[in-house]
Amino acid sequence: EDQVTQSPEALRLQEGESSSLNCSYTVSGLRGLFWYRQDPGKGPEFLFTLYSAGEEKEKERLKATLTKKESFLHITAPKPEDSATYLCAVQPYSSASKIIFGSGTRLSIRP
Amino acid sequence: SQTIHQWPATLVQPVGSPLSLECTVEGTSNPNLYWYRQAAGRGLQLLFYSVGIGQISSEVPQNLSASRPQDRQFILSSKKLLLSDSGFYLCAWCILGTASGNTIYFGEGSWLTVV
Repeated sequence: EDQVTQSPEALRLQEGESSSLNCSYTVSGLRGLFWYRQDPGKGPEFLFTLYSAGEEKEKERLKATLTKKESFLHITAPKPEDSATYLCAVQPYSSASKIIFGSGTRLSIRP
Repeated sequence: SQTIHQWPATLVQPVGSPLSLECTVEGTSNPNLYWYRQAAGRGLQLLFYSVGIGQISSEVPQNLSASRPQDRQFILSSKKLLLSDSGFYLCAWCILGTASGNTIYFGEGSWLTVV
């Protein structure tokens, strides 16, 4: 069964304290892995798509990486405005129309 | 550019009342359309997806239903709401196999409270 697990559930950091969020997945052939940012009461906002192991993408203080079993979202020197829930999702080859989400990591950055 | 509209943004409905949430996409043709539900503090649960007009796939058996009467219109309905239907409902779209890389894009969501 296709599955996505994110850890930790919640993470509190001091401003400037770098860290990583984890997304482990089990899928019968990965078509794509997606990262989203979600602010309270809003729809998820697209950040990155990764397609193959070894791929990396960056946007401001965020960098996403992909292996055959997991993806990491690295956040470098975060600021309070980076506080949000970060969601990971996978799209399997077996059913490209289905996109499966993890439960997210709630990131809180203290000034 | 493509945009997605979802309404109403917020609604409070009594148990047993009907529901209709509507979603439309502009600026694209033949998109895949999705309805997700998010309980408070939880991840996204896929409810329905559609690859074309009149084609609906259900992921979770429940008292909700979906319809796609037009290419860019997706409707989520219920004849009788339950308390457990409360949550944040999100409509989304994507185009498979394009340069956008099958990325799924979301609307702003609809908050449903069943009382």
